[in-house]
Amino acid sequence: AQSVTQLDSQVPVFEEAPVELRCNYSSSVSVYLFWYVQYPNQGLQLLLKYLSGSTLVKGINGFEAEFNKSQTSFHLRKPSVHISDTAEYFCAVSDSSASKIIFGSGTRLSIRP
Amino acid sequence: DGGITQSPKYLFRKEGQNVTLSCEQNLNHDAMYWYRQDPGQGLRLIYYSQIVNDFQKGDIAEGYSVSREKKESFPLTVTSAQKNPTAFYLCASSPGTSGRPIQETQYFGPGTRLLVL
Repeated sequence: AQSVTQLDSQVPVFEEAPVELRCNYSSSVSVYLFWYVQYPNQGLQLLLKYLSGSTLVKGINGFEAEFNKSQTSFHLRKPSVHISDTAEYFCAVSDSSASKIIFGSGTRLSIRP
Repeated sequence: DGGITQSPKYLFRKEGQNVTLSCEQNLNHDAMYWYRQDPGQGLRLIYYSQIVNDFQKGDIAEGYSVSREKKESFPLTVTSAQKNPTAFYLCASSPGTSGRPIQETQYFGPGTRLLVL
């Protein structure tokens, strides 16, 4: 069975500092991985996704993530955050045999000026 | 503008009452989904539909019902059998053209917050 774990429920960082949001998954087959962002009282928006190919995936708003098969991780990174990046971030996993996406419990990113 | 709309933004339910949440999309997407979001629990799939007149149960379908009579509409009814309905409900859609719509990018509506009186 698939599962996804977001290791930090909250991550506070200062503006213009780098950030890494951690995500680990478990799956017995090839996986598809996603990061979504949710701004307050809004729906989710796709940041980036890994389906195959290059393990470094670039997304919108300067975010990128690296698929690490040996460590079963898909951590999200940004070299310099802005106040507007304040939001909740969800990692999600699916695979070729699945009929649904499994979402993690979310990481709340708060940016301090 | 293409997108997904959900209404109402806030909905209040009385004890024993059925309520219906609206979800409409003009993206011409085949697949549509309903999720429930509770604090600290991420999103859980209630129902999904890959084509008109067909839908499948997700992980937490008990106490909910759906219909898919039109491609652009996927309403969710929260029945009186759902004993803990207070949550944020999100509707999403995906193109459904890959043959594996679950792996496609999902586009989300703004959500409906359901509260119990």
